[in-house]
Amino acid sequence: EAGVTQSPTHLIKTRGQQATLRCSPISGHTSVYWYQQALGLGLQFLLWYDEGEERNRGNFPPRFSGRQFPNYSSELNVNALELEDSALYLCASRLRQLSGNTIYFGEGSWLTVV
Amino acid sequence: AQKVTQAQTEISVVEKEDVTLDCVYETRDTTYYLFWYKQPPSGELVFLIRRNSFDEQNEISGRYSWNFQKSTSSFNFTITASQVVDSAVYFCALSEEVDSSYKLIFGSGTRLLVRP
Repeated sequence: EAGVTQSPTHLIKTRGQQATLRCSPISGHTSVYWYQQALGLGLQFLLWYDEGEERNRGNFPPRFSGRQFPNYSSELNVNALELEDSALYLCASRLRQLSGNTIYFGEGSWLTVV
Repeated sequence: AQKVTQAQTEISVVEKEDVTLDCVYETRDTTYYLFWYKQPPSGELVFLIRRNSFDEQNEISGRYSWNFQKSTSSFNFTITASQVVDSAVYFCALSEEVDSSYKLIFGSGTRLLVRP
């Protein structure tokens, strides 16, 4: 069974541009999470989508946004890129039905802003 | 607020040594879940174990073992006879569920370097 898949693996953008990252959850999982792992800042919760809707967001500005599609895949958009947005962006998925279910992560997308 | 503390930033051991990674958590929830993940240089977070707050049994899986102690709010991870392939960053995480919103709160991670 395929795990969480993310694309692209690496992305280089210029300050001020927009970046789009994509994620496909594990088959059957309806919940998708996005985490940011910036150097020295650990894993920070960004967004949670479930059944096509944004259910929760972390302490990030509105230029971080996304959506979840009917097939439960998800897209993270970062507008007006800043140098400090350079980070590993990890997507994860889980089965929502059961409390405490494990969240499974993908390999991440490395975003570099120059 | 939920909090996870991994006080060891980096640990270096020689192959075949045993090593314990510490994790201390804070929560006001009576039901919660604890996790350990491994992050090799490639970046992917690999799930290792999940433990719920009602199950204080220690667990062993091959060379890995976990010691959950509610009394000290700790969930420590031991690797026996470490190998070079164990080199990675290890994260401890705690579930947070508020109004049906569920996510994981991570510790800052412990970088383990196993030298040949």
